Amino acid sequence: DQQVKQNSPSLSVQEGRISILNCDYTNSMFDYFLWYKKYPAEGPTFLISISSIKDKNEDGRFTVFLNKSAKHLSLHIVPSQPGDSAVYFCAASGGGSARQLTFGSGTQLTVLP
Amino acid sequence: EAGVAQSPRYKIIEKRQSVAFWCNPISGHATLYWYQQILGQGPKLLIQFQNNGVVDDSQLPKDRFSAERLKGVDSTLKIQPAKLEDSAVYLCASSLRDSYNEQFFGPGTRLTVL
Repeated sequence: DQQVKQNSPSLSVQEGRISILNCDYTNSMFDYFLWYKKYPAEGPTFLISISSIKDKNEDGRFTVFLNKSAKHLSLHIVPSQPGDSAVYFCAASGGGSARQLTFGSGTQLTVLP
Repeated sequence: EAGVAQSPRYKIIEKRQSVAFWCNPISGHATLYWYQQILGQGPKLLIQFQNNGVVDDSQLPKDRFSAERLKGVDSTLKIQPAKLEDSAVYLCASSLRDSYNEQFFGPGTRLTVL
């Protein structure tokens, strides 16, 4: 039972264009959402997060949008750069005192020069 | 600031053998996590420590997996005996408290069970 789903295993985008990565969740108790980026042979690194009391959070080229009614969030990268090529994981937290993270299966983003 | 250290980086063993992984978290981080990441999937939490106490080990296969965090710093994760389906990357992460938005991950240990 996957509570966090990333239905696109891969995405290719031209350099300078927008990258949009999508994530869906099923657990209505989730109240905090995060995106992590992972390069090969490295651990995931935190990228950006959003609380359920917001619908948008922006940090430089990265913006996360949250649609609670649809249980959907997306990560926008504008403009995309070749260094952004990595696996992006969506993660969610909430409903428990330990605040654990539940991860999606990841989307491989490739930014073409 | 030094990051989360893990060793070994790679390990190949045969099924039914035992293996141990080591993690050294960021200095001062009270919370330590072990994740299992199977190829094509996201990381799955195995166990969470707060200092040297276990917060949650509900997804740890306790018949073969064990973990400890002595003195609230370093941690070891052991598998005994290993099965083919244990082939995965084992990630260690730490955070100041249970601050989920600031989990810092180590590079992981890639385990192959033959």
